[in-house]
Amino acid sequence: ETGVTQSPTHLIKTRGQQVTLRCSSQSGHNTVSWYQQALGQGPQFIFQYYREEENGRGNFPPRFSGLQFPNYSSELNVNALELDDSALYLCASSLVGSEAFFGQGTRLTVV
Amino acid sequence: SQQGEEDPQALSIQEGENATMNCSYKTSINNLQWYRQNSGRGLVHLILIRSNEREKHSGRLRVTLDTSKKSSSLLITASRAADTASYFCATDRDNAGNMLTFGGGTRLMVKP
Repeated sequence: ETGVTQSPTHLIKTRGQQVTLRCSSQSGHNTVSWYQQALGQGPQFIFQYYREEENGRGNFPPRFSGLQFPNYSSELNVNALELDDSALYLCASSLVGSEAFFGQGTRLTVV
Repeated sequence: SQQGEEDPQALSIQEGENATMNCSYKTSINNLQWYRQNSGRGLVHLILIRSNEREKHSGRLRVTLDTSKKSSSLLITASRAADTASYFCATDRDNAGNMLTFGGGTRLMVKP
């Protein structure tokens, strides 16, 4: 167990809908990153939050947005869902310069 | 796009044999990390090697890093059926910390 928890574990959404995924960081970690992993591929970096501010972003459109709260928990929001958004979404928490600890992921299916 | 590329994409060995996986990357790095993933679930951190290190050990794992060749290898010695999983290398693209770029992974099967 890494101490990083994600919810929900699975969900199904319809194309065009919006979804919010949640992540609780490991205690003491002030950095949270989100990744998208399509089936059979490696994870792709979406963005990172550090002390409630977006600290870096990968090659994802603005309909992917996030928040980090004062307790360092985080949300990933995806608007206008597309079929290609179906993937495993992984959250990772860390301290700067140290290894990242991942949650078990949220499996999102868009139909 | 993915910076790291693992080789081979798939590997099947017998229990007790050693497994070697390789990773190549394209840009300069701060560190390189190896992760394991079972059945499409969360990633488990195995080992982190910094750019100024050449080799690191953790239990049955041995990781090497050659920054001149932009490559790393993960060796699992005396493999067990429980080692069956996908293995990913990930590079920390800058010094901001853990904005990781992953390769496509090596799917390892260890037969009992």
